[in-house]
Amino acid sequence: AQSVTQLDSHVSVSEGTPVLLRCNYSSSYSPSLFWYVQHPNKGLQLLLKYTSAATLVKGINGFEAEFKKSETSFHLTKPSAHMSDAAEYFCVVSDFLPQGGGYNKLIFGAGTRLAVHP
Amino acid sequence: NAGVTQTPKFRVLKTGQSMTLLCAQDMNHEYMYWYRQDPGMGLRLIHYSVGEGTTAKGEVPDGYNVSRLKKQNFLLGLESAAPSQTSVYFCASSPRDTDGQFFGPGTRLTVL
Repeated sequence: AQSVTQLDSHVSVSEGTPVLLRCNYSSSYSPSLFWYVQHPNKGLQLLLKYTSAATLVKGINGFEAEFKKSETSFHLTKPSAHMSDAAEYFCVVSDFLPQGGGYNKLIFGAGTRLAVHP
Repeated sequence: NAGVTQTPKFRVLKTGQSMTLLCAQDMNHEYMYWYRQDPGMGLRLIHYSVGEGTTAKGEVPDGYNVSRLKKQNFLLGLESAAPSQTSVYFCASSPRDTDGQFFGPGTRLTVL
């Protein structure tokens, strides 16, 4: 079965400094990997998605993630944090959905809460 | 396009009461999902549906029932609410041939 581990439950950075949110995955095949963001009291928004086309994936709002198969990692980065980036971030891996026969099931990590200080 | 909508946004129940959460999507998606979100646990799949008239159990189905009578709607029912069902519930939908899902805004449910 697929699984995801987000290595930090909380990350705190100063505005204008780089952001690194770490994610390791476990998979028996080449999965699709995602990062979702959830702002306070809001739904989830897709930041970016990896589907084996390129190992460096660019997403919205200046975020990007690099797929490293040898390290089974999919860390999320941003060069310069903005106050509006404060939110909870979820690393997600796709899995097989028994009914339907596709890889439409999403397995979520526990989340990393990002705080951005002035 | 409204995307995925959920009704209600908030609800407080007493133990033993029943209620139904409604999810609607206007994107003509085949697949729909119900998740619950609890602190420190990410989102966990309760039930899902791969088409009108079909439903299947996810990771944490106990205490919940679902129905998909129309393609655009997916209902989540709690027959006898328990405090352990206090959570934020998210609905999502996706086309058949992709694993990216679109999420609703969530329903915050408290069971006293």
